[in-house]
Amino acid sequence: GAGVSQTPSNKVTEKGKYVELRCDPISGHTALYWYRQSLGQGPEFLIYFQGTGAADDSGLPNDRFFAVRPEGSVSTLKIQRTERGDSAVYLCASSFNPGQNSPLHFGNGTRLTVT
Amino acid sequence: SQQGEEDPQALSIQEGENATMNCSYKTSINNLQWYRQNSGRGLVHLILIRSNEREKHSGRLRVTLDTSKKSSSLLITASRAADTASYFCATPYSNSGYALNFGKGTSLLVTP
Repeated sequence: GAGVSQTPSNKVTEKGKYVELRCDPISGHTALYWYRQSLGQGPEFLIYFQGTGAADDSGLPNDRFFAVRPEGSVSTLKIQRTERGDSAVYLCASSFNPGQNSPLHFGNGTRLTVT
Repeated sequence: SQQGEEDPQALSIQEGENATMNCSYKTSINNLQWYRQNSGRGLVHLILIRSNEREKHSGRLRVTLDTSKKSSSLLITASRAADTASYFCATPYSNSGYALNFGKGTSLLVTP
C-alpha cells in the first residue's frame, strides 16, 4: 500500500468495553503518530513513536489509553473502559524521518463511537 | 505546548476568487506547516515554511510567515470547487519533540 492504512474505519462499542485501533504506516517510515480529532476541532496529539519506543506520550489523556509498536512498523492504540467522551476520529500518521521539518502522512482515521 | 489558531473559522467564496486564511501562534518556532483535510479523510501536507523564510510558493498556494507577529497566512489563488476542505496550520508540539500541534482549522467552501 502506498499510504497509511487504519483499521477498522468505523468502530462502535459500548461504554466500558475495550477497543484496539490499528495503524499500518508507510513502509520505511520510522516515526509514527497518533492523534484524536473531535468534530469541528483540529487533531489533538496523543503519542509519538520513534521505532519501537514511545518517544513522547504526553498527549495521552489518562491511563486508559495505551499504544504499542512492537516491531517498529504496525501500531495499535488500545483504550480500556471506554467512555462516551472517547468518541472521536483517531488518526494515525507517519513520517520518513523524525524531525521538525518532516511532513506527516495521515491515514483516513478510525471513527470510534462509544454508546 | 504551542498551538496555532486559524482565522476565519469559515470562509465561503466563488470559484476563481482567492482565499486567504491566517494562523497565529504563541511561541517561537523553527517552522510552520499547512495541511488540508477533505471531509471524512486524513490530513494532507501542503507546504512547510521555515522560520528564516518570509514567503513560499507551491502551485496556486502562497504562504507567508511573519515571526515578529507570530503569524502566517495561506493564500489560494484562482480557487476551484475541489479546494473545498478544512485547512490547518501546524507548529511544533514542543521544543524537543517532533509531533505537531494543530489549530481548529478554517473551513473553506468554494462554490461553482
